[in-house]
Order: sequence, then structure tokens, then C-alpha cells
Amino acid sequence: AQSVSQHNHHVILSEAASLELGCNYSYGGTVNLFWYVQYPGQHLQLLLKYFSGDPLVKGIKGFEAEFIKSKFSFNLRKPSVQWSDTAEYFCAVSPFYNQGGKLIFGQGTELSVKP
Amino acid sequence: ETGVTQTPRHLVMGMTNKKSLKCEQHLGHNAMYWYKQSAKKPLELMFVYSLEERVENNSVPSRFSPECPNSSHLFLHLHTLQPEDSALYLCASSQDYGGNTEAFFGQGTRLTVV
Repeated sequence: AQSVSQHNHHVILSEAASLELGCNYSYGGTVNLFWYVQYPGQHLQLLLKYFSGDPLVKGIKGFEAEFIKSKFSFNLRKPSVQWSDTAEYFCAVSPFYNQGGKLIFGQGTELSVKP
Repeated sequence: ETGVTQTPRHLVMGMTNKKSLKCEQHLGHNAMYWYKQSAKKPLELMFVYSLEERVENNSVPSRFSPECPNSSHLFLHLHTLQPEDSALYLCASSQDYGGNTEAFFGQGTRLTVV
């Protein structure tokens, strides 16, 4: 069965620290990859996405992610976090053919940034 | 504002009640989805509609009944729910159900079954 694994359930960082959240998926075919963020009390928002091309994807608010096909990974990074980055982060995978809008989510990583 | 609006935002219902969740998208999308977000679990896809036809039903119990009267509206009818059905129910839409597309989510309905 297709699945998405996020290795960190809760990450606590101080402001200005660097962030890397791991995401691995299991699916043998072509996939689209996403990171969504959910700020406290708000809806899920798209942070960045990968469809094809350059495997290093830049998103909003200084986030980026790298798709490494051989490792089935799509890790999220930010060089310097801010208190406002406190949120829950979800990695999601969508099989490309005929199911592009169907998302398989990881369990989420709660990020707490201390001022 | 995401372009996907869900009502109500909060709902408390008894196990014998019947209620409905509503979702409306203002994005001109062709596909709509219901997801369930439970504590400590990944978001689970429940139903998918593409061009108003149900294309996926992920082994969801019959006490959840979706309805898509047109491409802009999606309902989730609830009856005889169980306490374990308490969760955040998210609606999403995407341009199409295939290819390079991304999903836009509503703010969700927080459902509590008592």
C-alpha cells in the first residue's frame, strides 16, 4: 500500500535555527509531491510542490524541499526559522496518473519555535 | 480565504442525530474531496468526486453519505455516528482529478459526537 512517513512528530527549535523535516514515501510510479502547513486555527495551506523538473523546489516563506528519487524522499528545509513558523507540517504524495488530486498524507510534524 | 468554504465550523451531535456538512468552492474546480483528520493520525481520504461523479470511496462506513449536486458544492450527510467519528472533516478541491494539480482546503468542520 502507498504510504508517507514523516520521521519527526514534534520538533522544537529556537529562532534562527535551521530546520529539516524528513519525508519518505512508498510508491513505485510517478508522483507529485507536496508540503502543506497548518498554522494554529487555520486551514491547510500549500507550502510548496514538486511536479517535475528541478528537484530542488522553492516555496513560500523561505522554505525549500529536495526531491531525491533514489531515496523516495522529499525533505523540507529552511535555513533560519522564525517564531511565526510554529505550525504543523504535512508531507503529501499524489500518484500522477489519473489520481493527481488524491493525496496520501504523512502523520504530520508539529514544529514549535521558541523566541 | 482559500476559495473553499465549509459550514458549520463546529458541530456537536448525538449518536442518533442526522446532520450534514457543507462545502462550497469558488475556484471553478472539477474535483472535490472529503478528508478526515483525527488526532495523531494522518489525514484520510474519504471520498472523491470528479465532474460530479463519485470516483473513489475509501471503505468509508455507510453512516457517512456524500452528495455532490454540482461542481461547486459537496455535502457529507451524517447519521447514527459513533464517538470515534469525532474529528476534523476537511473538504478540498482541485482543478482536475488527474495530472499536475494541487488541492485547496477549506478550514474544516470540527465534529464532536456525544
